[in-house]
Amino acid sequence: QKEVEQNSGPLSVPEGAIASLNCTYSDRGSQSFFWYRQYSGKSPELIMFIYSNGDKEDGRFTAQLNKASQYVSLLIRDSQPSDSATYLCAVTASGGSYIPTFGRGTSLIVHP
Amino acid sequence: ETGVTQSPTHLIKTRGQQVTLRCSSQSGHNTVSWYQQALGQGPQFIFQYYREEENGRGNFPPRFSGLQFPNYSSELNVNALELDDSALYLCASSLNAGTGRNSPLHFGNGTRLTVT
Repeated sequence: QKEVEQNSGPLSVPEGAIASLNCTYSDRGSQSFFWYRQYSGKSPELIMFIYSNGDKEDGRFTAQLNKASQYVSLLIRDSQPSDSATYLCAVTASGGSYIPTFGRGTSLIVHP
Repeated sequence: ETGVTQSPTHLIKTRGQQVTLRCSSQSGHNTVSWYQQALGQGPQFIFQYYREEENGRGNFPPRFSGLQFPNYSSELNVNALELDDSALYLCASSLNAGTGRNSPLHFGNGTRLTVT
């Protein structure tokens, strides 16, 4: 059973701070890694994806991948109250199927 | 670019009934995946369709079935509904370009199913 683990939170940070969200996965051969944001009652929307070890930056968001340690993280700089949402980590397993497995998500609260 | 659309948005059914949910994929996408999301949980993979064939299936019983049509739209059918089937059903489309790596999933707005 391929597993993707996230701390359910909530993670509470003050406005303007850096929010750090973490995700670990069990399949060492996993190939693709995604972060989705889901507002309450809405569907997930893609924030970022990363395929290679290291960092990938897009605006205020940075995804970090460490395949040796089997974790992927999402940093949100200058956090805003509008960033308050559940952040879902998704990972595609090895073996050729391109079917992402999702974690249960981390709830982020950015307070003014 | 047309996004992923799902219908209906909300549905209330009685235990034992059957339901059909529909999904139109984003333009340019040829693969459709269906997920079930219970309250407070992450999306759980039901199945994926590519070229009108089932391309993978999660741990769901056979009463969950699906179809993909030549225009890449898709249906999810659930027979003999149970109370635990109450959830948000998400359809997501992506592009399988034969490169060994699909494009990321893009989700529709979901169908909220309530079984009473």
